[in-house]
Amino acid sequence: QQQVKQSPQSLIVQKGGISIINCAYENTAFDYFPWYQQFPGKGPALLIAIRPDVSEKKEGRFTISFNKSAKQFSLHIMDSQPGDSATYFCAASGVNNNDMRFGAGTRLTVKP
Amino acid sequence: DTGVSQNPRHKITKRGQNVTFRCDPISEHNRLYWYRQTLGQGPEFLTYFQNEAQLEKSRLLSDRFSAERPKGSFSTLEIQRTEQGDSAMYLCASSPTHSSSYTFGSGTRLTVV
Repeated sequence: QQQVKQSPQSLIVQKGGISIINCAYENTAFDYFPWYQQFPGKGPALLIAIRPDVSEKKEGRFTISFNKSAKQFSLHIMDSQPGDSATYFCAASGVNNNDMRFGAGTRLTVKP
Repeated sequence: DTGVSQNPRHKITKRGQNVTFRCDPISEHNRLYWYRQTLGQGPEFLTYFQNEAQLEKSRLLSDRFSAERPKGSFSTLEIQRTEQGDSAMYLCASSPTHSSSYTFGSGTRLTVV
């Protein structure tokens, strides 16, 4: 079931630092790669997403880097803040958008 | 419309009992998805509906599980003869038909004792 591999499992970063989370996928039919953020007791919320026709997408402090040949993508959180402390999931889906597969998650802790 | 709504938020049941969860998607969303999330893991796909039609079911969805979306609006997920291994967070999400952007509810946390 898990077709997307995510690392690290947990990450501790100082306030103001850069958080980097990595994902790798196997299915070359995937063409949509979102990142979700989940706080305790809540469902995942879409943070940022990318399609394979671009290598990078930036929205505020969040950037996705995408390497199609390596089948890898990563999330960079610049100037990390304590409020960013959450679990982050990478995901991937195909053209029909009905088969979203998630990574196992990374628990990010940003220390003040 | 305030998003995807799931009820109940928490359910504790004894092993062997049946449970039913409800999901109310965003009203204009044609697609509805059910996922299961266990502690420390990402959501795992269970099934999805296009309007009232159930178009795909995961192998995770054993014959004790059944999902319905009778009028293409809200959906229910029923688990019969619950087992301790069914303890998990059950998440519902919805999306427009040709969109990759899923909106998740806050989930129903099931504990089987």
